[in-house]
Amino acid sequence: GESVGLHLPTLSVQEGDNSIINCAYSNSASDYFIWYKQESGKGPQFIIDIRSNMDKRQGQRVTVLLNKTVKHLSLQIAATQPGDSAVYFCAEGILSGGYNKLIFGAGTRLAVHP
Amino acid sequence: DAGVTQSPTHLIKTRGQQVTLRCSPKSGHDTVSWYQQALGQGPQFIFQYYEEEERQRGNFPDRFSGHQFPNYSSELNVNALLLGDSALYLCASSLLAGRPAQYFGPGTRLTVL
Repeated sequence: GESVGLHLPTLSVQEGDNSIINCAYSNSASDYFIWYKQESGKGPQFIIDIRSNMDKRQGQRVTVLLNKTVKHLSLQIAATQPGDSAVYFCAEGILSGGYNKLIFGAGTRLAVHP
Repeated sequence: DAGVTQSPTHLIKTRGQQVTLRCSPKSGHDTVSWYQQALGQGPQFIFQYYEEEERQRGNFPDRFSGHQFPNYSSELNVNALLLGDSALYLCASSLLAGRPAQYFGPGTRLTVL
């Protein structure tokens, strides 16, 4: 069935270090991928997206890499800050007849220590 | 520019009751999707509305139904509540003709006793 999974359920990093959050997906027909950040008690916050015909996209302090050969996605956060502490989800986007839905994995918790 | 808003923030119901949750999409968006997020899990797609019609549906029973109004706002209705329906219900909006990224509201925390 469709699924989006994550390699590491919890990631602990030191403030100022770079963080890498990994994600494996199973549906090779996915059209795009999105990374979301969810803080406690809040809804998921959009970070960055990447279409399936790309292999890299950069934003402010974040980079997403897509390897379709091994169905792997990663989110790199540069100079991690305490405010980056949250649960991160990768979501697989599937377009159907012009409409889209997202399939989420369980998430990775990022803990940033001073 | 207002983001996605949802109401109420929290809700407590008992088994067998019915509940209605409300969502206003981000300004300029025309498509609303609903997700259920159980504690410690990722959101699960319930359904998506565009032009006041359900366009896609996830693996949820008919007890879950929805509606979209001409102003693009939406409601999620759940009938015959079960204990397992306790979750955070998230509304996400997007623009059908734009980038497919969906933007989420803060959610409604539903507790079924």
